[in-house]
Amino acid sequence: DAKTTQPPSMDCAEGRAANLPCNHSTISGNEYVYWYRQIHSQGPQYIIHGLKNNETNEMASLIITEDRKSSTLILPHATLRDTAVYYCIVRVANSGGGADGLTFGKGTHLIIQP
Amino acid sequence: KAGVTQTPRYLIKTRGQQVTLSCSPISGHRSVSWYQQTPGQGLQFLFEYFSETQRNKGNFPGRFSGRQFSNSRSEMNVSTLELGDSALYLCASSFRTSSYEQYFGPGTRLTVT
Repeated sequence: DAKTTQPPSMDCAEGRAANLPCNHSTISGNEYVYWYRQIHSQGPQYIIHGLKNNETNEMASLIITEDRKSSTLILPHATLRDTAVYYCIVRVANSGGGADGLTFGKGTHLIIQP
Repeated sequence: KAGVTQTPRYLIKTRGQQVTLSCSPISGHRSVSWYQQTPGQGLQFLFEYFSETQRNKGNFPGRFSGRQFSNSRSEMNVSTLELGDSALYLCASSFRTSSYEQYFGPGTRLTVT
């Protein structure tokens, strides 16, 4: 699986857009980019995933560069409840052989400031 | 739609005992994965079940086992508990096997004394 690099921490003002970057320069053609977050003392939460097109759902937008070597997760109007550790993961989707599980790196600790 | 539920939420056991944790996936989801999370090791994959069959297994000793029922509910069992088994045990469900779009429960916090 491709390795990902994320900044260890970021601050964002409440109400502003939070832009979380992720580098995955060794990503291969059939690997998807997934984003999860984990709020303190809670289970991880799936946010969004994509292959090469930009994706948007009710939680966030995912922008993947044309060369797919990096991506940005955008929380359009951050609230205090978005304070969490955000994880960017690269995986081959539906490999058919049984999931080998998610593994999280250190992620980005996003702190939303009031 | 109700989320993934796990019971119990908190558990204290003594070394040498065994424990059974339960997970009810999101309705319609047939895959259940189990994870162990600790501050030192992070998130570690235990196993995945789909249609009552174990599809994949992580690198854990045989003391860790699981099963899935016909209604997709799953249980995991840890026998002969050790102090190092103290952790947050997470269950995640997904619609398909081998999917990394997984929806996690709140976890069971196990403390072994």
